[in-house]
Amino acid sequence: GIQVEQSPPDLILQEGANSTLRCNFSDSVNNLQWFHQNPWGQLINLFYIPSGTKQNGRLSATTVATERYSLLYISSSQTTDSGVYFCAVEDLSGTYKYIFGTGTRLKVLA
Amino acid sequence: SAVISQKPSRDICQRGTSLTIQCQVDSQVTMMFWYRQQPGQSLTLIATANQGSEATYESGFVIDKFPISRPNLTFSTLTVSNLSPEDSSIYLCSVLPGGYTFGSGTRLTVV
Repeated sequence: GIQVEQSPPDLILQEGANSTLRCNFSDSVNNLQWFHQNPWGQLINLFYIPSGTKQNGRLSATTVATERYSLLYISSSQTTDSGVYFCAVEDLSGTYKYIFGTGTRLKVLA
Repeated sequence: SAVISQKPSRDICQRGTSLTIQCQVDSQVTMMFWYRQQPGQSLTLIATANQGSEATYESGFVIDKFPISRPNLTFSTLTVSNLSPEDSSIYLCSVLPGGYTFGSGTRLTVV
């Protein structure tokens, strides 16, 4: 099956700093999503981005499907950005199942 | 996007017992999924809940341990049976279409 690796596994930032999170996947996919899991466990959908670039406020994401990776950019980070970021990919089986990446644990310090 | 209500939000259970988790959606959805997140780990798909038929389980998950019901297009339950401490995890339901939307999760601790 598809392998989804994220880097870095852990990241500590000072408030106001910028960061780039990476998601590599081992095979072609139908779709890709980025999620933020807050410290209370809630998963929030950030981007639905099978290809191209999208922006939402301080966050943006780029997926290069032909090269099998996606990037999540966080600018001017805030303490509320802390948590775990997951990418998830939908394989080509047509079953709409998503495979989650290994995650990046982000801590933003005040 | 759909709004999902998942209950209970957390529970502490004795080993050997069972816990049933409910997932209620505010609109009809075609696909419902159940995931497990073990402590400090990523999410792993348990099964796809099919309306009116048996769930489709992923490798490593069996119906006897994780029976699932889906009586209609807005509701599903996951039961975790014969609990052991290794079952301590967060269990989440999610739905399609429109991109994955997740319930708030059920944090299960087995003692």
